[in-house]
Amino acid sequence: EAGVAQSPRYKIIEKRQSVAFWCNPISGHATLYWYQQILGQGPKLLIQFQNNGVVDDSQLPKDRFSAERLKGVDSTLKIQPAKLEDSAVYLCAWRGQMNTEAFFGQGTRLTVV
Amino acid sequence: AQSVTQLGSHVSVSEGALVLLRCNYSSSVPPYLFWYVQYPNQGLQLLLKYTSAATLVKGINGFEAEFKKSETSFHLTKPSAHMSDAAEYFCAVSETSYDKVIFGPGTSLSVIP
Repeated sequence: EAGVAQSPRYKIIEKRQSVAFWCNPISGHATLYWYQQILGQGPKLLIQFQNNGVVDDSQLPKDRFSAERLKGVDSTLKIQPAKLEDSAVYLCAWRGQMNTEAFFGQGTRLTVV
Repeated sequence: AQSVTQLGSHVSVSEGALVLLRCNYSSSVPPYLFWYVQYPNQGLQLLLKYTSAATLVKGINGFEAEFKKSETSFHLTKPSAHMSDAAEYFCAVSETSYDKVIFGPGTSLSVIP
């Protein structure tokens, strides 16, 4: 919530369609994360960026998910094609060089029907 | 590998009673530990954090947690529950200030009037 804007807040799509989420953190923060939170579970890390580079994408389903970070600031997460099990809240977070904790946006709630 | 367990997926307390939410972690190095709270349709808000300073950490809204290395625990407490404390609580661990943040499965706290 501290300086992380995410859009859209809600999205409903049909299975096999594609969708994209945007994250706009406070400029200048090196580390950016995308998490997937399925209802009733804790957030699961999908991908971590350090500046423009990917540090950890071991949990990202790369056959359908992709993410990029532009100029070390904004980021997009895309799903193509979506499956029913992708229904979840997608959270973006950042962590500054002087911060020990991660700051989260309000998330995008995706429903795949 | 880092991991977090939270004993009890649902905890109910009476208003004014003690709140105790349990968290145990595993980490190969002295960790950073966090408690986050999530209200419905909101992102994650930091309650408190442990960063190798004092083992008893005080946070917002009257919550505190104690780091016990021998027990690998970081339990969250509040002396007197308030109705507004009803939410989902997540314990999280990170090995460095720039590493990934791993979350536990969460504990849903209900407060009974």
